[in-house]
Amino acid sequence: NAGVTQTPKFQVLKTGQSMTLQCAQDMNHNSMYWYRQDPGMGLRLIYYSASEGTTDKGEVPNGYNVSRLNKREFSLRLESAAPSQTSVYFCASSPGTGFGMNTEAFFGQGTRLTVV
Amino acid sequence: EDQVTQSPEALRLQEGESSSLNCSYTVSGLRGLFWYRQDPGKGPEFLFTLYSAGEEKEKERLKATLTKKESFLHITAPKPEDSATYLCAVRSYSGNTGKLIFGQGTTLQVKP
Repeated sequence: NAGVTQTPKFQVLKTGQSMTLQCAQDMNHNSMYWYRQDPGMGLRLIYYSASEGTTDKGEVPNGYNVSRLNKREFSLRLESAAPSQTSVYFCASSPGTGFGMNTEAFFGQGTRLTVV
Repeated sequence: EDQVTQSPEALRLQEGESSSLNCSYTVSGLRGLFWYRQDPGKGPEFLFTLYSAGEEKEKERLKATLTKKESFLHITAPKPEDSATYLCAVRSYSGNTGKLIFGQGTTLQVKP
């Protein structure tokens, strides 16, 4: 029972480099999310996907793009990394979609990204 | 604007010393309040969901309660293994999203 799997677990990037964070869930969930967690800021929503084929911006989308590749996979791309994007990134999924989204979300173990 | 505020930011207890964590929320229409536990270096782990005022949920030494403006996570006779950051989150009716909005968390340390 893998749940939500994120890769990589750790990454160091140079300013201006690009990378894609991968996320996959095996729970047949409809909704998927990307959050970042910074000290003193809590968890902030970057992008989410309420169902396969749809994506929407969260609180802090600037500098990021996402792709909902299929029902299982939701990737987060940094096109030109900046030191301000140094953070811990969490992917999550939940069963519901649309107005039925009153269910809990399940989180991956996180990707610790440092941009130098 | 939907908002979640947790207090205190940090709490130190002696083993066996019961206490409560607070989560105050302002949302346009609550569609669930969630409590999570997060250990250092790990992702948040789901604990409870509460949907309506007056509802209560229990799990071992933890009990979560909900009113129309806030939720409490009561910890009875805590043990050192209860040390973690506890996160509160809400889902609201805003738009057609149902996205989770998190508070900043309360870091609990239980000393033996």
